[in-house]
Amino acid sequence: KNEVEQSPQNLTAQEGEFITINCSYSVGISALHWLQQHPGGGIVSLFMLSSGKKKHGRLIATINIQEKHSSLHITASHPRDSAVYICAVILRGGADGLTFGKGTHLIIQP
Amino acid sequence: EAQVTQNPRYLITVTGKKLTVTCSQNMNHEYMSWYRQDPGLGLRQIYYSMNVEVTDKGDVPEGYKVSRKEKRNFPLILESPSPNQTSLYFCASSHNWVNGYTFGSGTRLTVV
Repeated sequence: KNEVEQSPQNLTAQEGEFITINCSYSVGISALHWLQQHPGGGIVSLFMLSSGKKKHGRLIATINIQEKHSSLHITASHPRDSAVYICAVILRGGADGLTFGKGTHLIIQP
Repeated sequence: EAQVTQNPRYLITVTGKKLTVTCSQNMNHEYMSWYRQDPGLGLRQIYYSMNVEVTDKGDVPEGYKVSRKEKRNFPLILESPSPNQTSLYFCASSHNWVNGYTFGSGTRLTVV
């Protein structure tokens, strides 16, 4: 069974800091998703990656397939970035959907 | 607006009283799935459906049923709810099972 590990579990930073959240997984995957969950509970899909790097505004996601590792970076962090960030993978050859990490709880202080 | 609609948002019920949480999507997605989220355990998949009349178990299917009679709807049925099914539930849909996931707003269920 694939394990998806995220680090850190909790992260508190000051506004403006560069943030990195890491995700590692143990078996081959077809794709990896980064999700954002705000305190109200709703989940939003930020990125889907199968290779390389993607950027959207201040968010950057990278994946290294050989090392089975992905990172989510936030540049110039802002209090509105405070949320839980969840890594989820699609196993290679499987049609059974997402396997999730336990999430990283990020707080950005003004 | 493209969306996944879950109802109800909040539900308090008693042990053993059958309930259904509805999920509907307007994007003509083939793939739909249900998850529960619990503190310390994160999100776990309950059931998924590749298309109409095609469903399969996820990681935690015990105590739940689903049906997919139409492409847009994927209700979650708890025939005899128990307190350990108290959780936050999410429905999601996708064009295929790899990308483009859209999540519903969640249903917070309390079973007393």
